[in-house]
Amino acid sequence: QSALTQPPSASGSPGQSVTISCTGTSSDIGGYNFVSWYQQHPGKTPKLMISEVSKRPSGVPDRFSGSKSGNTASLTVSGLQTEDEADYYCSSYAGSNNLVFGGGTKLTVL
Amino acid sequence: QLQLQESGPGLVKPSETLSLTCTVSGGSISTSTYYWAWIRQPPGKGLEWIGNIYYSGSTFYNQSLKSRVTISVDTSKNQFSLKVISVTAADTAVYYCARRVRTERTLDIWGQGTMVTVSS
Repeated sequence: QSALTQPPSASGSPGQSVTISCTGTSSDIGGYNFVSWYQQHPGKTPKLMISEVSKRPSGVPDRFSGSKSGNTASLTVSGLQTEDEADYYCSSYAGSNNLVFGGGTKLTVL
Repeated sequence: QLQLQESGPGLVKPSETLSLTCTVSGGSISTSTYYWAWIRQPPGKGLEWIGNIYYSGSTFYNQSLKSRVTISVDTSKNQFSLKVISVTAADTAVYYCARRVRTERTLDIWGQGTMVTVSS
């Protein structure tokens, strides 16, 4: 299975909103509502931020939201804060128990 | 609170076998709700799912790695393990173990990761 496509970088000023896209195919994102998003600060472990396209685990601020349209999923971070600066990875179920990740997007808070 | 901890050699010679173990604490590995997964991240690069195992021993692997990877489970020790044979420099990465929720297909709890370097 091929990796999902994410923009390498995104940026926004504190308080603004930014959206990160994740494009796949009908065999992964388009075929299942099992898209997850992970946040990874430098040198740290990935942290689950969104599961099943738009569900926030307990403890994740509601500034983080997810959506999907066709073969593209999106993560929106509203009210950007400096601590949101990190790498973000999408993943999708790809059938037959397979998981596929995106290449990652580096979010910079200007 | 459930925790996962990777352990194993940090340096492996080319053509040899990489072996890592993930110890699960604070909960049982023998649960029908979860799979147990391995993921890796080469330096400066993105995440790659390697595979996962169910407590019964059923395994699922990334097709690109399937010929070189074996994941096993030891329920008596609450551990699962990863072996990668015939390693090359391309296998140099931080290796993470994680809990994968079966119904949500998501990785909700991760270990801290362990760096493995393939070099002579």
